[in-house]
Amino acid sequence: QSVLTQPPSASGTPGQRVTISCSGSSSNIGSNTVNWYQQLPGTAPKLLIYSNNQWPSGVPDRFSGSKSGTSASLAISGLQSEDEADYYCAAWDDSLNGRVFGGGTKLTVL
Amino acid sequence: EVQLVESGGGLVQPGRSLRLSCAASGVTFDHYGMHWVRQAPGKGLEWVSGISWNSGTIGYADSVKGRFTISRDNAKNSLYLQMNSLRAEDTALYYCAASSSWYGALDIWGQGTMVTVSS
Repeated sequence: QSVLTQPPSASGTPGQRVTISCSGSSSNIGSNTVNWYQQLPGTAPKLLIYSNNQWPSGVPDRFSGSKSGTSASLAISGLQSEDEADYYCAAWDDSLNGRVFGGGTKLTVL
Repeated sequence: EVQLVESGGGLVQPGRSLRLSCAASGVTFDHYGMHWVRQAPGKGLEWVSGISWNSGTIGYADSVKGRFTISRDNAKNSLYLQMNSLRAEDTALYYCAASSSWYGALDIWGQGTMVTVSS
């Protein structure tokens, strides 16, 4: 059972916009920034969004992040086949004094 | 090129020990906090442990506290994880990752080293 809650799966067709939610609590998302990671099949995770809504160098602006209260979301616009991957949200948890991840969302491009 | 390369994984019996290493290159190692994150087969990511740039701050997940010890050698650009009293549930791919701040995102990831705990 992950501390942060994500839907296990999401899907969309090419060109569509999809969103992935991440729900937490006051000790993690409610008081700290959220980061998102993309894990393509068979590869290591890669930082996709940091500090709720910032892009690391090289990440296209089709990916965007937002946070409100104890929840966050990742939006992917103009969906492409290469976006098919697992997506994880993460944050620092003040109560656990450690980093916590969501369970991951497997995105399928139909 | 920025690179983190893990090593030291393998098959080990329950109750035994293993030491993982992570070698950094192409990056100013002592500017980064370093972390171990694991992924059990077919499962999600789990933060295991982290250490600040000067080893002044160290943290562990409850699942490994008292059994695992993280350390670093900035002169050798290396991170370590000493794993004792290993259990079947420690079986996972162990990633080394770097963060530019203690609470910040994990900016750089290695490719992982597999640890299998089985008799």
